[in-house]
Amino acid sequence: EAQVTQNPRYLITVTGKKLTVTCSQNMNHEYMSWYRQDPGLGLRQIYYSMNVEVTDKGDVPEGYKVSRKEKRNFPLILESPSPNQTSLYFCASRRAGGGTNEKLFFGSGTQLSVL
Amino acid sequence: GENVEQHPSTLSVQEGDSAVIKCTYSDSASNYFPWYKQELGKRPQLIIDIRSNVGEKKDQRIAVTLNKTAKHFSLHITETQPEDSAVYFCAASSYSSASKIIFGSGTRLSIRP
Repeated sequence: EAQVTQNPRYLITVTGKKLTVTCSQNMNHEYMSWYRQDPGLGLRQIYYSMNVEVTDKGDVPEGYKVSRKEKRNFPLILESPSPNQTSLYFCASRRAGGGTNEKLFFGSGTQLSVL
Repeated sequence: GENVEQHPSTLSVQEGDSAVIKCTYSDSASNYFPWYKQELGKRPQLIIDIRSNVGEKKDQRIAVTLNKTAKHFSLHITETQPEDSAVYFCAASSYSSASKIIFGSGTRLSIRP
């Protein structure tokens, strides 16, 4: 089954304790992206990757890191989480190329609480 | 950069009536406009999209219209049903910046029985 898999589904942590949220897709998509969802603010892009070893900042990258060492994986790293990073996070992927836009496939989300 | 405004933030309609959600965008280069539906506790899923070379697109009970001159696009749901209750997001992007898809702030649609 074609899917984007995120883990964990729920995460409670404390300020300053490094964490990683994993994201994996099995559709051979070139493009992967991370979003955070906050009430009244919609989905805001954190980082995206057009292909292996190619990453770039989205609209709200502060406090986050990503890596794209393999095509299928795109982990989100919070080196020193703070309470304002409490949010619902979604990973997404799609095909890329030809200058066209394609449907985004979203993971199931990670609800992060930073105390 | 692109900015997408979405209205209303909440919408309640009687079952069987129509619902309309409106979005405006700022970047005239935007030419792809998808709509995503997010049911409670679930992930967003694409329900319909429109490209700038057409003015309207329909898929059963849902339709999207685009007015490029006014830079606005709308989602229309007819004969609403309980399963239409969800949060709906509009979005905009351009071929030149396909990496950036800007989402609206979302509309929570509730269908009253």
